[in-house]
Amino acid sequence: GQQLNQSPQSMFIQEGEDVSMNCTSSSIFNTWLWYKQDPGEGPVLLIALYKAGELTSNGRLTAQFGITRKDSFLNISASIPSDVGIYFCAGQLGGGADGLTFGKGTHLIIQP
Amino acid sequence: ETGVTQSPTHLIKTRGQQVTLRCSSQSGHNTVSWYQQALGQGPQFIFQYYREEENGRGNFPPRFSGLQFPNYSSELNVNALELDDSALYLCASRGTGETQYFGPGTRLLVL
Repeated sequence: GQQLNQSPQSMFIQEGEDVSMNCTSSSIFNTWLWYKQDPGEGPVLLIALYKAGELTSNGRLTAQFGITRKDSFLNISASIPSDVGIYFCAGQLGGGADGLTFGKGTHLIIQP
Repeated sequence: ETGVTQSPTHLIKTRGQQVTLRCSSQSGHNTVSWYQQALGQGPQFIFQYYREEENGRGNFPPRFSGLQFPNYSSELNVNALELDDSALYLCASRGTGETQYFGPGTRLLVL
């Protein structure tokens, strides 16, 4: 099935550093979402974006919906140990019956 | 805590068998979706049910089927299991808003 192109695949950073990851698609989406998944858990929604060009923050997290509707990025500022996990982007085209299309994930590892 | 629960947490089956996975949605959530997440991959959309009717489907064969019940519970059934069906199966429920709330998943191993 289709998956979005998400990069980087993994990141090894020091605590306190800023993080940036992005997602691209060959198709347009009307909604972009960013999820975090911890081991043994399902994905948890971090940020939802509904309009091209939209920039939205949730605490230390900031995400943008690309103007072409084919890309999105997520930034995490001043990383802390609990930020460790796998981050997924997801796009949705229509009103919901088409489901979410996910990226392969970015595995964030924070070195002490 | 999303209010979405799934059972069982883990399951082992052999090739050719049939399996039923269960999901209990948040009260009031009329939409439930099922996803398959292979190891190291993002979730893949299987299908979606709204008020007990399938109203969306991803690229999965007919041996993947589902049911949704009036009490906000749902099932994913997979017939004629194949080795490649080994994965984490996630359900997600949604109310009138856009946000989908995922359960913790059922990890299926097919031997």
